[in-house]
Amino acid sequence: EADIYQTPRYLVIGTGKKITLECSQTMGHDKMYWYQQDPGMELHLIHYSYGVNSTEKGDLSSESTVSRIRTEHFPLTLESARPSHTSQYLCASSPSGTGGARNYGYTFGSGTRLTVV
Amino acid sequence: GENVEQHPSTLSVQEGDSAVIKCTYSDSASNYFPWYKQELGKGPQLIIDIRSNVGEKKDQRIAVTLNKTAKHFSLHITETQPEDSAVYFCAASYYVLTFGGGTRLMVKP
Repeated sequence: EADIYQTPRYLVIGTGKKITLECSQTMGHDKMYWYQQDPGMELHLIHYSYGVNSTEKGDLSSESTVSRIRTEHFPLTLESARPSHTSQYLCASSPSGTGGARNYGYTFGSGTRLTVV
Repeated sequence: GENVEQHPSTLSVQEGDSAVIKCTYSDSASNYFPWYKQELGKGPQLIIDIRSNVGEKKDQRIAVTLNKTAKHFSLHITETQPEDSAVYFCAASYYVLTFGGGTRLMVKP
């Protein structure tokens, strides 16, 4: 079944540790995104990619990095976790627009809830 | 960049009543306006979308309207049911989606 998967679902980690949040999709979508969702519900774009070897920073300043070596895989890495990184991280993907339509709806994963202690 | 404002932030209705959520956007170049529903412990799920060349779209109990001149769009849910209780997000985009702040909808049985 075509879907988007995020692992782990929950992660509690100590300050200063390096962590990688995994995101994979089986829909063949070119575009992928990482959003941070704060406790007040708002979704903030932190990184996005339009295809292999393409990555861009979003609106929210983030100390994380991403890579896109394969179409289906878009991991997010925090080199040194801090308590301020505690949040929900959501990965999403979408197909490229065709026929004049630049955008299609995003498919979101279930998220990774990260707690840094 | 795009800025999307969403109101109200919380909405409580009785089962069977209608619910309306309103959004405004700032970038006149935006041409795609989806709505998402997020249930507890899950990622947002697309429930309906509208493009800038359409003024209204309906899918069963859900409808969206778009006023490009005023740069605002709305979600209408009729005959609400307890399972409609969730957080709803509007969004606007030309290249990447910018989301509104979310509306927590509570439907009381």
